[in-house]
Amino acid sequence: ETGVTQTPRHLVMGMTNKKSLKCEQHLGHNAMYWYKQSAKKPLELMFVYSLEERVENNSVPSRFSPECPNSSHLFLHLHTLQPEDSALYLCASSHQTSGENIQYFGAGTRLSVL
Amino acid sequence: AQSVAQPEDQVNVAEGNPLTVKCTYSVSGNPYLFWYVQYPNRGLQFLLKYITGDNLVKGSYGFEAEFNKSQTSFHLKKPSALVSDSALYFCAVRDGYQKVTFGTGTKLQVIP
Repeated sequence: ETGVTQTPRHLVMGMTNKKSLKCEQHLGHNAMYWYKQSAKKPLELMFVYSLEERVENNSVPSRFSPECPNSSHLFLHLHTLQPEDSALYLCASSHQTSGENIQYFGAGTRLSVL
Repeated sequence: AQSVAQPEDQVNVAEGNPLTVKCTYSVSGNPYLFWYVQYPNRGLQFLLKYITGDNLVKGSYGFEAEFNKSQTSFHLKKPSALVSDSALYFCAVRDGYQKVTFGTGTKLQVIP
């Protein structure tokens, strides 16, 4: 495996629910990322935590809220989602100061919003 | 702003034949280029990278990629395709500020 673990693997939620996605990395990396993967669209970078600073994509709706309590854990809190938010959500980590910034991905959470 | 283009949504190739998956890029400064592969129900997996040096880069599973600065391309190649190579392939470029941009992906189908 890649050293990046995401839970749950599958999630079905209603539009009024609140849920959280979890990501954990065991690679000693100092940057973590949330991506959204939808069919036939580029991989969309949602949030980056790098050296404990958050960098976000300003187009991400506020119904998505990230949390990074330490360099090994990353959460994505979800509330009042829309059906178009259904997608595969991927977490990744990297060692940003290594120069190459090769990212290691988890297997993803397949989210369905009803 | 940097960008990556993968012009083919899908590439079909017969098993045993050579394969090419195309990628062109646009970035300021020297490019850092990557290929990733995604198997069904999995995250992306790093295949190979170009930073500097030889224009032909070798990676995992027998894949290689050719960097062409004048054509701003970084095509992925393999001399002999396997059915197990069937997957989604992503090209990516990194700029001087560590930002990585991925392409839309190309589905490779290797036909037995």
